[in-house]
Amino acid sequence: DTAVSQTPKYLVTQMGNDKSIKCEQNLGHDTMYWYKQDSKKFLKIMFSYNNKELIINETVPNRFSPKSPDKAHLNLHINSLELGDSAVYFCASTQTAAALGETQYFGPGTRLLVL
Amino acid sequence: GESVGLHLPTLSVQEGDNSIINCAYSNSASDYFIWYKQESGKGPQFIIDIRSNMDKRQGQRVTVLLNKTVKHLSLQIAATQPGDSAVYFCAESEYGNKLVFGAGTILRVKS
Repeated sequence: DTAVSQTPKYLVTQMGNDKSIKCEQNLGHDTMYWYKQDSKKFLKIMFSYNNKELIINETVPNRFSPKSPDKAHLNLHINSLELGDSAVYFCASTQTAAALGETQYFGPGTRLLVL
Repeated sequence: GESVGLHLPTLSVQEGDNSIINCAYSNSASDYFIWYKQESGKGPQFIIDIRSNMDKRQGQRVTVLLNKTVKHLSLQIAATQPGDSAVYFCAESEYGNKLVFGAGTILRVKS
């Protein structure tokens, strides 16, 4: 069974469109994250939710809106897509939000290409 | 492959040799450090971690060394295998806060 899964794996869309990426974890973890990995492989956190509550919100344009319907799911909706949004988006999860020694489990990534 | 065009530091080693990947971290208050491996087309995968009260930790074929004086972290891989080829990231955090990832190093293993 896949621990952290994301859909879709690939997403190609036009500038200005609105799209969503979904993430699910079956590990029973309380905390989930969204990361963005750019073309230089730089990996940066965007958001973190703990038990459906937002706990980390980095400097991300408000076109990006995460939603956590329950603690096993964290979706990312992006409005008015721009060329610079092209990246690989990774979902991750940890057992708890703030504990030393927590391993983050990453999903396989969603490759977004904005044309 | 995905590494074409990337301007990340690259370490090329012969199969069977030992590899050492280095990382300089930025926050002197960081107390937890992790190494991740990212294979082409996949998400980062946990390799080994270390807390700031230790200077060395060993796993299976891997050793992490921490030098807090110079804010330096290294990952040693013994008897490197072709399956070790990947991008390796170090990451740091300050007690339970967000992970901050380093830039990554490409490891290429020649058979």
